[in-house]
Amino acid sequence: AQKVTQAQTEISVVEKEDVTLDCVYETRDTTYYLFWYKQPPSGELVFLIRRNSFDEQNEISGRYSWNFQKSTSSFNFTITASQVVDSAVYFCALSEAWGAQKLVFGQGTRLTINP
Amino acid sequence: DTGVSQDPRHKITKRGQNVTFRCDPISEHNRLYWYRQTLGQGPEFLTYFQNEAQLEKSRLLSDRFSAERPKGSFSTLEIQRTEQGDSAMYLCASSSKRGAISGANVLTFGAGSRLTVL
Repeated sequence: AQKVTQAQTEISVVEKEDVTLDCVYETRDTTYYLFWYKQPPSGELVFLIRRNSFDEQNEISGRYSWNFQKSTSSFNFTITASQVVDSAVYFCALSEAWGAQKLVFGQGTRLTINP
Repeated sequence: DTGVSQDPRHKITKRGQNVTFRCDPISEHNRLYWYRQTLGQGPEFLTYFQNEAQLEKSRLLSDRFSAERPKGSFSTLEIQRTEQGDSAMYLCASSSKRGAISGANVLTFGAGSRLTVL
């Protein structure tokens, strides 16, 4: 069975600090996809990134970066120079590669950026 | 395109009543998903449609729950004889089916319908 663990329930940092959100996953599939979604107070899940299991290259998008390590089954997310607008709940998710491709979510990390 | 719309955004009901939620997906998306999210948890998959066909249902979807997508466009999720344990946010998402080679599609979520059962 697939499982995603986000061990950090809540993180609070001061603005401009860097922060890393951890994600560890379990799957028996050799082909799968990993995602990060952001859920601001409005409630709507916002897609941030998708990574397939064959692509272990790290990715950077502005202040956001992702580190995918298959050897440790981790897909961590770093925000550099955090801003108050980054405050939200962040979810890591895993999906099978074929069929319904339903997402299995972690329990989320609530990130608070204090001014 | 205005994204995925859900209605109502909030519903308060008494135990034992029936409730229905509606989801209007992005128009060109042929896949539609329902998820449930309880407080402090990540969303959990409930069911999935490809066009009008309901192709998969989670064991979370008891016989009091029914979902339809009659014309392959909007979808409804009905909960009969609601229980307090049904209190949650019900999220709808849609996506377009990509070719088999390109793999997983990205889900676009609506803002959700929050149910409170008293």
